[in-house]
Amino acid sequence: DSGVTQTPKHLITATGQRVTLRCSPRSGDLSVYWYQQSLDQGLQFLIQYYNGEERAKGNILERFSAQQFPDLHSELNLSSLELGDSALYFCASSPRGTGKTEAFFGQGTRLTVV
Amino acid sequence: ILNVEQSPQSLHVQEGDSTNFTCSFPSSNFYALHWYRWETAKSPEALFVMTLNGDEKKKGRISATLNTKEGYSYLYIKGSQPEDSATYLCAPRDGGSQGNLIFGKGTKLSVKP
Repeated sequence: DSGVTQTPKHLITATGQRVTLRCSPRSGDLSVYWYQQSLDQGLQFLIQYYNGEERAKGNILERFSAQQFPDLHSELNLSSLELGDSALYFCASSPRGTGKTEAFFGQGTRLTVV
Repeated sequence: ILNVEQSPQSLHVQEGDSTNFTCSFPSSNFYALHWYRWETAKSPEALFVMTLNGDEKKKGRISATLNTKEGYSYLYIKGSQPEDSATYLCAPRDGGSQGNLIFGKGTKLSVKP
């Protein structure tokens, strides 16, 4: 158990809908990362938050947004869902910016858009 | 975004074989390099974080070396076991980035009993 909790584990929704994925980082970790793994693809970096502020942005679509709350949990909001958004979404946390410290991954949320 | 390449893409070995794979990255402004192991149906787990040129790290039968001047890191597995079957990811970070961890596509290792 990495100490990072993601909910829900599985989500099935229809095209055009909006969903929210939740991540609770390890106790004391200030940095949260979101990744997407689509079929046969590697881990695609979406966005990073550090202590409530956006720190870095990757290949995140405009239909997606995220935030980190004062209690340091983070939410990834996916809207106007398309079939191609079906993927495994991982959250990871680290004490600071992971430059020199490892990141710890949650078990992921499997999103299926039908 | 940092350009990272991992080779080979996949590797099939027999139990007991030793193997190694490569992570290549731009050598300028190097800050740190991460190695992760990702088993099927699980989440990635950190193996090593390396920061200094010439660093060598070891965890059981797995070890890694780092050459920041030429921009590469090797991961070695001695006496591969079926439980070593996984995808091995590297993520270099340069000093100019804000802390985001960009992963390579990984090397998928399959170890046959």
